[in-house]
Amino acid sequence: GAGVSQSPSNKVTEKGKDVELRCDPISGHTALYWYRQSLGQGLEFLIYFQGNSAPDKSGLPSDRFSAERTGGSVSTLTIQRTQQEDSAVYLCASTPSPRGNTEAFFGQGTRLTVV
Amino acid sequence: SQQGEEDPQALSIQEGENATMNCSYKTSINNLQWYRQNSGRGLVHLILIRSNEREKHSGRLRVTLDTSKKSSSLLITASRAADTASYFCATDPFNNAGNMLTFGGGTRLMVKP
Repeated sequence: GAGVSQSPSNKVTEKGKDVELRCDPISGHTALYWYRQSLGQGLEFLIYFQGNSAPDKSGLPSDRFSAERTGGSVSTLTIQRTQQEDSAVYLCASTPSPRGNTEAFFGQGTRLTVV
Repeated sequence: SQQGEEDPQALSIQEGENATMNCSYKTSINNLQWYRQNSGRGLVHLILIRSNEREKHSGRLRVTLDTSKKSSSLLITASRAADTASYFCATDPFNNAGNMLTFGGGTRLMVKP
C-alpha cells in the first residue's frame, strides 16, 4: 500500500480480554516500530523490529504485551488480559533502514479503550 | 524517560503570528526530527536536522539545532489556522542500540483565525 496501515482504527474491549492490533508497513521498509500514546501525552516506545527480529523489547510495559512480525512485513501487537491503563492510541511506524536517520512513516493508529 | 522535552506544552496565537517551540534533550544525538500530529492520530514528518547542521528551512518552517545546549527550536512563520496541531521533536541518540526515535511530550499549538 501507499502508507502504513493499522487495524482496527478503534477497538473497545472489556477488561480481561485479549486484543490484537495489526500493522502493515510500507512495502520494503525493513524497520518497524510500535509506540503507545496516552491522551495528551508523548509517544512511549514499545518495541522495534528489524526484519522479523526484535532486537529491542525494552519498552514493553509488562509480560502481557507481546509482538511479532512475519515475512518482514505485517506485525501484530497482542495485549493479554487487558487492563484499563492499557487504554491509549497504539501507533506503528516504519522506516526504510534500521537507523533513526530517516523519516519515520506513521499509521493512523489504533485507539484502544478498555472498559 | 523521554529524551526530548518540548516547551511550551501549549501555545495559543493569532493567525499571522509566528510560533516558536523548543525542544531539549539529554544525550548526544545523530539527528533530530520534528513531527506534527493532528487530532491524536498519525504523525507526519516535518523536517530532519543532522547533528552537524545548525539551521534548516522548509517553506514556513525554520529549525535550529544547538548541540552544545542540547536544544532545538521550531519556528512556524505567518501561522495559519490549519497549523493547529501538536508538534513533537524526536531524537536519534548517538548510542542508539535500539535504533528507535525517542519522542518528547509535544507542544499543542492553537492558531486562532
